[in-house]
Amino acid sequence: SQQGEEDPQALSIQEGENATMNCSYKTSINNLQWYRQNSGRGLVHLILIRSNEREKHSGRLRVTLDTSKKSSSLLITASRAADTASYFCATAYSGNTPLVFGKGTRLSVIA
Amino acid sequence: ETGVTQSPTHLIKTRGQQVTLRCSSQSGHNTVSWYQQALGQGPQFIFQYYREEENGRGNFPPRFSGLQFPNYSSELNVNALELDDSALYLCASSSYGVDTQYFGPGTRLTVL
Repeated sequence: SQQGEEDPQALSIQEGENATMNCSYKTSINNLQWYRQNSGRGLVHLILIRSNEREKHSGRLRVTLDTSKKSSSLLITASRAADTASYFCATAYSGNTPLVFGKGTRLSVIA
Repeated sequence: ETGVTQSPTHLIKTRGQQVTLRCSSQSGHNTVSWYQQALGQGPQFIFQYYREEENGRGNFPPRFSGLQFPNYSSELNVNALELDDSALYLCASSSYGVDTQYFGPGTRLTVL
């Protein structure tokens, strides 16, 4: 079963704009991770945020986590055509437990 | 590039056949997890192997089985293939107890 739900399901923006994707989940977690997937291939790990963290940055990525609302957001600033991909949030209860993924957001960045 | 490799890239089988998918983990990683991703869905956990033993299993029937070898590479076997088994199969390697998993490029299985 899917734990997380990403919103929106699809997003289309112009190059240079910011893209925001949201993720909601159902149960308590140890950490939340965001992955990118290009054209139905393997997943690339983007960023991990732990349950005791509220915000994290990595390059053009900014992730927030609100455990009281059981939600997270991923912001990609100054988007590029190469950012076109599907983005998934995944939750984990500990370091050894399986990742539970949402259905993903399909991002299209138009040059 | 994560250093995780999978073979084959694509595979076509008919209903009722058996299939074996292979995964080589990233150097230094001792844990392999397998996921099934149906079209338009997020990956779903099948099982995890650590030290050659199954270390957790998702909601998949027993005809999905696996192995892990002493070099930490792994196989996923599916018997009595069904049409719904058509999906992208992803393996991910990690170090036990570490949160981040590194995914391979996947094997696209089509069951006709």
